[in-house]
Amino acid sequence: GAVVSQHPSRVICKSGTSVKIECRSLDFQATTMFWYRQFPKQSLMLMATSNEGSKATYEQGVEKDKFLINHASLTLSTLTVTSAHPEDSSFYICSARDLIRADNYGYTFGSGTRLTVV
Amino acid sequence: GNSVTQMEGPVTLSEEAFLTINCTYTATGYPSLFWYVQYPGEGLQLLLKATKADDKGSNKGFEATYRKETTSFHLEKGSVQVSDSAVYFCALGIKAAGNKLTFGGGTRVLVKP
Repeated sequence: GAVVSQHPSRVICKSGTSVKIECRSLDFQATTMFWYRQFPKQSLMLMATSNEGSKATYEQGVEKDKFLINHASLTLSTLTVTSAHPEDSSFYICSARDLIRADNYGYTFGSGTRLTVV
Repeated sequence: GNSVTQMEGPVTLSEEAFLTINCTYTATGYPSLFWYVQYPGEGLQLLLKATKADDKGSNKGFEATYRKETTSFHLEKGSVQVSDSAVYFCALGIKAAGNKLTFGGGTRVLVKP
């Protein structure tokens, strides 16, 4: 089946530094990828939708200059948390859409990245 | 707008007990409905889905029926196992809305031996 690889699984960084999270579709082409943020014991909040070769569409309230999304190829999207602060600590999950798979609109989720900013 | 409401947890059960997690939704348009499961420290896995009214999704002993008249998609399992301990998310998606998924708040289930 479709597999989405997300790295790193855990990262600890110092306040003020930037962190890049990668999301790769391993065996399918993902024209659309979604980035979610999940706070402890809460649901997933959609941050942005990225389409290959175009700018990401951010949800209301999400700072696009803070969370840079790049989707330069059909198999890779990256989320960069710039000038990270402790309040950015969270669990980030990507989802990629496989146009060929019929079920579930073709969504496959990555395993998530636990970001801790100290 | 679209929204999903599911019962708050945690739900604590003994092994072999019956599990029900309620989920109701509001949507503009004709949604597909999903249940996802998240094990500790992991991403989400699709558990089951239903794409139209009266459809029943089933997988790994879990079932949920798309009830348009009550706008519900309750998750059930007749006999839970310790390995079913996880967080369960109800979600809806509408193709006309750009295929974005809207998630409920999640329900944590703990099954004790």
